Amino acid sequence: GNSVTQMEGPVTLSEEAFLTINCTYTATGYPSLFWYVQYPGEGLQLLLKATKADDKGSNKGFEATYRKETTSFHLEKGSVQVSDSAVYFCALRGYSTLTFGKGTMLLVSP
Amino acid sequence: EAGVVQSPRYKIIEKKQPVAFWCNPISGHNTLYWYLQNLGQGPELLIRYENEEAVDDSQLPKDRFSAERLKGVDSTLKIQPAELGDSAVYLCASSRGAAMDWNTGELFFGEGSRLTVL
Repeated sequence: GNSVTQMEGPVTLSEEAFLTINCTYTATGYPSLFWYVQYPGEGLQLLLKATKADDKGSNKGFEATYRKETTSFHLEKGSVQVSDSAVYFCALRGYSTLTFGKGTMLLVSP
Repeated sequence: EAGVVQSPRYKIIEKKQPVAFWCNPISGHNTLYWYLQNLGQGPELLIRYENEEAVDDSQLPKDRFSAERLKGVDSTLKIQPAELGDSAVYLCASSRGAAMDWNTGELFFGEGSRLTVL
């Protein structure tokens, strides 16, 4: 079946540091890949997505590239801000359903 | 455009009591999902509807959980009786529909209903 594995948190960074959150997946067929973000007290919202191999999703300074050869979709940002503190979920969509990883908490200090 | 609306946001009940959660999806979205999110975990699918038909309920504990989506719009998720282990956040999500974007489209989530069972 489909599954997503992402690095455990929390990830603690200082403002303006570089961020990488690793995500790998196992899937049959050709899934789409997503990063969702959950800010404190809020619902899940889409951060970015990629629908086929080698696609790069980007939004709000975050990027992730769909790597079929390594079955990965790592999230990166060049310079994090305090406002980026949240829980980040990697997910894949196959057969219409989203399968999530366990989430990675990011804490950014001034 | 209004987002996915869920109620109640918070519910505290004693074990063995019943509880129900309501979800109103985004207008025009044919597919509706209920997810369970335990503390520190990612959401896990409970049930997926295409219009009024439950097309994937394999993860729904049918001995105590039930769901319905009458008229293919709003949905209700019920637990009866609730157990201590049911304490979690119940998320509702919707998407345009499998026929349109079966594996590429975004799911839109409500803010969730947080259940505490004492």
